[in-house]
Amino acid sequence: AQKITQTQPGMFVQEKEAVTLDCTYDTSDQSYGLFWYKQPSSGEMIFLIYQGSYDEQNATEGRYSLNFQKARKSANLVISASQLGDSAMYFCAMRELETGANSKLTFGKGITLSVRP
Amino acid sequence: DGGITQSPKYLFRKEGQNVTLSCEQNLNHDAMYWYRQDPGQGLRLIYYSQIVNDFQKGDIAEGYSVSREKKESFPLTVTSAQKNPTAFYLCASSRRYNEQFFGPGTRLTVL
Repeated sequence: AQKITQTQPGMFVQEKEAVTLDCTYDTSDQSYGLFWYKQPSSGEMIFLIYQGSYDEQNATEGRYSLNFQKARKSANLVISASQLGDSAMYFCAMRELETGANSKLTFGKGITLSVRP
Repeated sequence: DGGITQSPKYLFRKEGQNVTLSCEQNLNHDAMYWYRQDPGQGLRLIYYSQIVNDFQKGDIAEGYSVSREKKESFPLTVTSAQKNPTAFYLCASSRRYNEQFFGPGTRLTVL
């Protein structure tokens, strides 16, 4: 079974509006971490935000926030006030801390976001 | 400036040749990783190393080899045994439990 699922087709958002990118995950670990990365057309992966499974508050980093719903195993990324530079691929990833190889990340297949002027 | 460098940016290989992709970091990170990305896909882990002189296979290690003789360096060799090596290769590093930082990538094409 897929550990990270990102099923949205290409997403479009109007500049200055908010957008939510979906991510669901599957793990039997109690301790894990969830990450979001941005990949612009240049190819480099840029770290955006992190949520630990025991964190009680949803993570926020500037215009990025993570809507973490543990019972539903979802970790959706919310981008507020979209900018043209937000157009990119976005990847959700998970690190499981109880499997021994505790620094490995498992990535989803990504979502393409296009911001319209 | 601290960061991760990968070279070359573009690499062309003839069938049957081994090629080595370079990855260097000056972030003083213990862990380093190699990923492969195919068009429209996520990243798949090839090899990772959590400490010098030690490394482990990832999900798609067949046809690849690595070494970790220095903390700063984690070169990846794509051998002739890798049947479909054309892809984008990304190197990353991290402190052990923290986020991974990525290099700019190497695009490998088999001619």
